[in-house]
Amino acid sequence: SQTIHQWPATLVQPVGSPLSLECTVEGTSNPNLYWYRQAAGRGLQLLFYSIGIDQISSEVPQNLSASRPQDRQFILSSKKLLLSDSGFYLCAWSVQLGIAYEQYFGPGTRLTVT
Amino acid sequence: SQQGEEDPQALSIQEGENATMNCSYKTSINNLQWYRQNSGRGLVHLILIRSNEREKHSGRLRVTLDTSKKSSSLLITASRAADTASYFCATDVLAGGVKLVFGAGTILRVKS
Repeated sequence: SQTIHQWPATLVQPVGSPLSLECTVEGTSNPNLYWYRQAAGRGLQLLFYSIGIDQISSEVPQNLSASRPQDRQFILSSKKLLLSDSGFYLCAWSVQLGIAYEQYFGPGTRLTVT
Repeated sequence: SQQGEEDPQALSIQEGENATMNCSYKTSINNLQWYRQNSGRGLVHLILIRSNEREKHSGRLRVTLDTSKKSSSLLITASRAADTASYFCATDVLAGGVKLVFGAGTILRVKS
């Protein structure tokens, strides 16, 4: 069966510090991968998605970047965090079922920038 | 602006009652999905309904889709305290369905 891992679960970082969040998927090959951010009590904002290694699309201009060093690994990074980067970060992967893609989410990382 | 907009934003009911949440969207879709999120957790896929379907059931969940009105509803029957969560609709309007656009969600609280 497929599983998705995210770490760390919580993170408190000062403004201006770097960030690295990691996501790995097991049990599937060539998944589509996603990074979302969710502000408190709000919906999901898609940050990046990737349909393959070296195929990463950025959805929102910001100081974040994403990389996919391996087929089932997706990393979210920042060189200098801003206060506005605080939020709940969710990684997801998707599989195609017919013409539809269902997404499966990791447990999330709660980031607080102080 | 959000493709999917849920209504109401928050809903509080007693255990055993039915809960209905609505979702409206703006452009044509191939399918619409509903997800659930417990507080502080990731989202969990509940049900998918295709554009050529009008109604779909899964356990205590019933989803309807009206493409003429660009709206969908999620009905949870005989609610339980464990159904307390946020519920999101998502539409596949972009990138051949690889990208989903999520609404802002409905927060459901079921009181025991």
